[in-house]
Amino acid sequence: GAVVSQHPSWVICKSGTSVKIECRSLDFQATTMFWYRQFPKQSLMLMATSNEGSKATYEQGVEKDKFLINHASLTLSTLTVTSAHPEDSSFYICSAVSWTGQNQPQHFGDGTRLSIL
Amino acid sequence: SQKIEQNSEALNIQEGKTATLTCNYTNYSPAYLQWYRQDPGRGPVFLLLIRENEKEKRKERLKVTFDTTLKQSLFHITASQPADSATYLCALDMDTGRRALTFGSGTRLQVQP
Repeated sequence: GAVVSQHPSWVICKSGTSVKIECRSLDFQATTMFWYRQFPKQSLMLMATSNEGSKATYEQGVEKDKFLINHASLTLSTLTVTSAHPEDSSFYICSAVSWTGQNQPQHFGDGTRLSIL
Repeated sequence: SQKIEQNSEALNIQEGKTATLTCNYTNYSPAYLQWYRQDPGRGPVFLLLIRENEKEKRKERLKVTFDTTLKQSLFHITASQPADSATYLCALDMDTGRRALTFGSGTRLQVQP
């Protein structure tokens, strides 16, 4: 149980393109989803917290107009990288938690490798 | 702000030995601490969660300890196998209201056959 699916797994596109990444919880309802970014040989850095039906909370230094997050249902959150540039190339990973209590582990997707040419 | 340090970037051990990974943190008193495994090009996979009022937790060949006085967690893999080779990440809750996590930089474990 607790499977999180992330799509696409990798994408290569030209500078200036907008890219949408989907994160789905397949067998549970996720009231909260998190979006992380990971550069090579570095750890995961939290970008934003996404709650179903409300605006996302962004971490300091993350541009909310560049990284648009939508959490329209209990099983789907999307991250759109708008007007992507080479410096946005990274590994983007989502995770989800259910509403059932505190201290629950996060369930991660397998990430999206984004390469901007 | 919180700071999490994992003792070494890489750890090489022989198959069958016990691997011990260290996670130290400062400037915070977390309610719980988690350990994850990450394989190259994959998302992290949850392994164990230990709460502040628990000193030790076990799951099969895995054992985690949590010393809130030392601000340290130890992660042990007994009877290690080559399949245990991966990067292991410790993570703390940023604040219980949000359930967001702060991750350490990870320790890359290599188990030699």
